[in-house]
Amino acid sequence: GNSVTQMEGPVTLSEEAFLTINCTYTATGYPSLFWYVQYPGEGLQLLLKATKADDKGSNKGFEATYRKETTSFHLEKGSVQVSDSAVYFCALEEVYDMRFGAGTRLTVKP
Amino acid sequence: DVKVTQSSRYLVKRTGEKVFLECVQDMDHENMFWYRQDPGLGLRLIYFSYDVKMKEKGDIPEGYSVSREKKERFSLILESASTNQTSMYLCASTGGSGNTIYFGEGSWLTVV
Repeated sequence: GNSVTQMEGPVTLSEEAFLTINCTYTATGYPSLFWYVQYPGEGLQLLLKATKADDKGSNKGFEATYRKETTSFHLEKGSVQVSDSAVYFCALEEVYDMRFGAGTRLTVKP
Repeated sequence: DVKVTQSSRYLVKRTGEKVFLECVQDMDHENMFWYRQDPGLGLRLIYFSYDVKMKEKGDIPEGYSVSREKKERFSLILESASTNQTSMYLCASTGGSGNTIYFGEGSWLTVV
């Protein structure tokens, strides 16, 4: 069945550091891929998505590229801010079957 | 603006009680979902519904049931709450495959 594996946290970085959170997936077909972010005390909100191979999703300085050959969708940001502190979830969706990774908690220190 | 509203943010219930968690969306979405979120386990799908009065079991349906009498409303029911159902419950909806899934703010349930 479909599944998502993402880098375990927690991750702690200093402000302006480079961020990578790894995500790999297993799917039977051609899923859409997502990154969701959860700020403290809130539900999840979409950060970015990609619906086919080689697509790059981007938002708020975050980027991720859909790599079919390596079944990956790694999240990157060149310079993190304190306000980026949150839990990040990688997810895939294929015909209403939506799977989430376990989440990676990011803490950015000033 | 898109809105998924969960009626209760924080609940404390006793073991054996019947618990209702309500979710309403205002986007005319066909598909609605209930997840539970636990530390280290991510989000696990309990039930989903792709139309009024239709429901499908997710990965962990045991101990739960759902109701979808109207398109905008999807209710999660714990028939007899147990302490291992203490968790954060998230409702979500989407308009179709490949579309963004929108989440409510979550309901924190504690069963004592």
